[in-house]
Amino acid sequence: QKEVEQNSGPLSVPEGAIASLNCTYSDRGSQSFFWYRQYSGKSPELIMSIYSNGDKEDGRFTAQLNKASQYVSLLIRDSQPSDSATYLCAVNMQGSNYKLTFGKGTLLTVNP
Amino acid sequence: GAGVSQSPSNKVTEKGKDVELRCDPISGHTALYWYRQSLGQGLEFLIYFQGNSAPDKSGLPSDRFSAERTGGSVSTLTIQRTQQEDSAVYLCASSKPSGGAETQYFGPGTRLLVL
Repeated sequence: QKEVEQNSGPLSVPEGAIASLNCTYSDRGSQSFFWYRQYSGKSPELIMSIYSNGDKEDGRFTAQLNKASQYVSLLIRDSQPSDSATYLCAVNMQGSNYKLTFGKGTLLTVNP
Repeated sequence: GAGVSQSPSNKVTEKGKDVELRCDPISGHTALYWYRQSLGQGLEFLIYFQGNSAPDKSGLPSDRFSAERTGGSVSTLTIQRTQQEDSAVYLCASSKPSGGAETQYFGPGTRLLVL
């Protein structure tokens, strides 16, 4: 069973702090990794995609990928209350360049 | 259109009835996906379309579920003889494949409640 694991949270951080969200995956051959943000009652919205080992930065967001450790993370700098949402990690498993396997998500709360 | 659209946004039905859920993908997106999200759960893959064909139906939970896509655009997910465990949010996504993994853009979802 190919899986994507995330801490369900909730993860609570004060406004202005760094929020760190983590994800592990079981399929060593996975090639593509995505972070989606989902506000309560809304549909998932793409935040970041990452394909190579290392860091990828986009504004306040940094995705980190370590394929050897089968680990992908999302850092949110200068967290804002508007960042409060569930963050979903999604992985394209080996042999499937279309199907996304999602983790159950981590609920992040940023306290003013 | 500007984004993926789905209808209806909410559907309440009685156990045993059939329902049809509609998805209109982003213009030009040849790939279309259906997912299901139950309360407190992650997204569960149901089916993938490339054009009008469905090379992967592996996620459909039972033979009560079926989907079709016509004209390479609109897709309909049909659930026959609905059961209470079918209650969930059904999400549609589309992407523009280029030989590798492509970003999937989600619609607002249809919230299905089976009484």
